[in-house]
Amino acid sequence: GDSVTQMEGPVTLSEEAFLTINCTYTATGYPSLFWYVQYPGEGLQLLLKATKADDKGSNKGFEATYRKETTSFHLEKGSVQVSDSAVYFCAPYSTLTFGKGTMLLVSP
Amino acid sequence: DTGVSQDPRHKITKRGQNVTFRCDPISEHNRLYWYRQTLGQGPEFLTYFQNEAQLEKSRLLSDRFSAERPKGSFSTLEIQRTEQGDSAMYLCASGKGGGTGELFFGEGSRLTVL
Repeated sequence: GDSVTQMEGPVTLSEEAFLTINCTYTATGYPSLFWYVQYPGEGLQLLLKATKADDKGSNKGFEATYRKETTSFHLEKGSVQVSDSAVYFCAPYSTLTFGKGTMLLVSP
Repeated sequence: DTGVSQDPRHKITKRGQNVTFRCDPISEHNRLYWYRQTLGQGPEFLTYFQNEAQLEKSRLLSDRFSAERPKGSFSTLEIQRTEQGDSAMYLCASGKGGGTGELFFGEGSRLTVL
């Protein structure tokens, strides 16, 4: 069946460090791909998306590239901030399935 | 755009009681989704509606759970004879049918079953 695999957290980084959170998925066809973020005490909100192969989604310094060949959509940021501390969820649309989430903790 | 709103935000109930949650989606969205989220896990899909039609239900949705969207606007999720295992955050999301599938989430309704 369809599934999403995210790297387990928590990911603990110092401010200005480079971030990668891996996401791979199985799905029928080539769905739109999303990263959602959940800040402490808040609801999920869309961080970025990509709608077709090789597209790069970007927002707030975060980027992710739709890799059809590897069925991956890894999230990256060149320099994290304390305010990026949150839980990040990968989700391909077609499956209505979310990854388990990766908690990011950024220290000053 | 007032966003997706859910009510109540927190419900504490005793085992065996019935509870109902309400979700008001973004007005122009015709799709509405219910998810359940427990601590440390991602949202688990429960069901979704396109307008008033319930198009898909998860195997997770036991007979004690029922969802409605009678006029294609707000939706209710009812849990009958609650069990302690039902304690979770119940999330509602809405989206446009035919779009890229982006979902807009409410802040959730937290259920605690004692």
